[in-house]
Amino acid sequence: QVQLVQSGAEVKKPGSSVKVSCKTSGSTFGNYAFSWMRLAPGQGLEWMGGIIPVFGTVHYAPRFQGRVTVTADTSTGTVYMEVRGLRSEDTALYFCASGESSATYRAGGPYYYYYAMDVWGQGTTVAVSS
Amino acid sequence: EIVLTQSPGTLSLSPGEGATLSCRASQRIATAYLGWYQQKRGQPPRLLIYGTSNRATGIPDRFSGSGSGTDFTLTISRVEPEDFAVYYCQQYGRSPLTFGGGTKLEIK
Repeated sequence: QVQLVQSGAEVKKPGSSVKVSCKTSGSTFGNYAFSWMRLAPGQGLEWMGGIIPVFGTVHYAPRFQGRVTVTADTSTGTVYMEVRGLRSEDTALYFCASGESSATYRAGGPYYYYYAMDVWGQGTTVAVSS
Repeated sequence: EIVLTQSPGTLSLSPGEGATLSCRASQRIATAYLGWYQQKRGQPPRLLIYGTSNRATGIPDRFSGSGSGTDFTLTISRVEPEDFAVYYCQQYGRSPLTFGGGTKLEIK
């Protein structure tokens, strides 16, 4: 089973950017999808976006579209998430997680599917403060 | 975007009691795409149930999931001390994925 190791804690100024990494233990991504979530103080889990490297597709939650970028480096087996224009409300514990994926090819498609996330990284704290 | 509403927000129980956690969706979800996670403070979430009713690897059989359409339930038959945590339902499948707001299971 793949394991995920995230980069260390970050402290950032408002308006800056942060890029968090998530390295897989496997040599390839296989057909796994990788998602990024965050848990802000006093809030619930929030899905931010995901990537399915085998299909070359990336998806974002509407509220993060345009401010978050998820990428994957197949040569190192590492997935990244960058958040731009940081504000104090972005202070949170950020997680990457993986699960299986699939695709269907029919009219209007292709359609890409994420499945339950059974492997999680340890979490990365990002603090935004002036 | 599918909105998931969990109830109750907080559930206060004593060890040995049964727990019923609810997750209601704003639109119909295929049973294959509904899961439940447990999270303890400072730890990553742990997958408990996938596909509405399938226990993930290593999950005790006191945890069970059920439901269909827009109403889903996580049941803990007899709460153990290690079960006190926050529980989230999640719908996956096609983007955007969403989580419910969580139910905190606390010691009474």
